[in-house]
Amino acid sequence: GNSVTQMEGPVTLSEEAFLTINCTYTATGYPSLFWYVQYPGEGLQLLLKATKADDKGSNKGFEATYRKETTSFHLEKGSVQVSDSAVYFCALKLRGATNKLIFGTGTLLAVQP
Amino acid sequence: ETGVTQSPTHLIKTRGQQVTLRCSSQSGHNTVSWYQQALGQGPQFIFQYYREEENGRGNFPPRFSGLQFPNYSSELNVNALELDDSALYLCASNKGGETNEKLFFGSGTQLSVL
Repeated sequence: GNSVTQMEGPVTLSEEAFLTINCTYTATGYPSLFWYVQYPGEGLQLLLKATKADDKGSNKGFEATYRKETTSFHLEKGSVQVSDSAVYFCALKLRGATNKLIFGTGTLLAVQP
Repeated sequence: ETGVTQSPTHLIKTRGQQVTLRCSSQSGHNTVSWYQQALGQGPQFIFQYYREEENGRGNFPPRFSGLQFPNYSSELNVNALELDDSALYLCASNKGGETNEKLFFGSGTQLSVL
């Protein structure tokens, strides 16, 4: 079946450290891939996306590259800030008309000053 | 432009009861999706409404049902509540169609079933 696997948290980093959150997927066809972020008490917000192989999504210093050969979409940021503390979800969407996103279980990131 | 708003923010019910959750989609959006997010898990797709018709459904039993109104707002109804229905219920909207994939999520309704 279609699924997303992401590294378990929590991930605890010091400010300005390098961040990697791993995400791999299993899907039929060629899905679109997403990273969503959920700040405490808020809904999910789209952080970045990629719709085809080798595409790189980027936003607010975060990046992720769609790797078809390794079925991965790892999230990276060169220098994290305390304000980046949140839960990060990797997700995929199959081609089609619905808004059915398949999410991973989420990774809690805690950045300490 | 207002975002996606959900009501109520918190709700406590007992097993066997029925519940209705409400969602106002973002202005200009005609498609609404509902997700269930259990504690410590990622959101799971319940169903989607487009122009007042359900046009996509996840792996949820029929006691989960919905409505979409002409103004594109939506309701999620859950009958015969079970303890496992305790979760954060998220509503998301967009303009629909595959070319517009960005979903705008509300802050959710936290449902507790006792």
